[in-house]
Amino acid sequence: KQEVTQIPAALSVPEGENLVLNCSFTDSAIYNLQWFRQDPGKGLTSLLLIQSSQREQTSGRLNASLDKSSGRSTLYIAASQPGDSATYLCAVSNFGNEKLTFGTGTRLTIIP
Amino acid sequence: DAGVTQSPTHLIKTRGQQVTLRCSPKSGHDTVSWYQQALGQGPQFIFQYYEEEERQRGNFPDRFSGHQYPNYSSELNVNALLLGDSALYLCASSPWDNYYGYTFGSGTRLTVV
Repeated sequence: KQEVTQIPAALSVPEGENLVLNCSFTDSAIYNLQWFRQDPGKGLTSLLLIQSSQREQTSGRLNASLDKSSGRSTLYIAASQPGDSATYLCAVSNFGNEKLTFGTGTRLTIIP
Repeated sequence: DAGVTQSPTHLIKTRGQQVTLRCSPKSGHDTVSWYQQALGQGPQFIFQYYEEEERQRGNFPDRFSGHQYPNYSSELNVNALLLGDSALYLCASSPWDNYYGYTFGSGTRLTVV
């Protein structure tokens, strides 16, 4: 059974700093991994998708990496802004199992 | 291009009642999944529909049922509502092979009183 863990549960950093969010998973036979952003009471916005054959993906100030052998992914946010404040969730899908398994998220607060 | 559309956005029901939530997938997507997200938790998979049939189901009781129509839109039905069913219900759509990942709607906030 796939289990996804995100540490820390909450993080506060001053504006302008670079930061890293962590995601770990127990079953390395993943099909892909997605990072999502969720604003309070809202739905999920997909940030980055990494296929199992890829090592990283980049979009603007965001960079996500994937290390299947160690069961880990990181989301790097450069030059953080107050608008980045949200909960960040990672989710994996496994081969032959199309559902997404989510972590409980990291609640990020950027202090102006 | 419209993304995933869910209705209603908010709903208040009484314990024991029944509720139906609706979802229209993103254009070009034929697979619809439903997730339940309790406060402070990550979303939990309820079930997935493809070609009008339930393809996969998570660990939810039979009170949770669904349907997919020929136009790929979907419904989630919950019978005999419990206080613990209060949550944000999220619909996600994808092409059948999920190669490009999932697109989520804004959710329906269900409150059971």
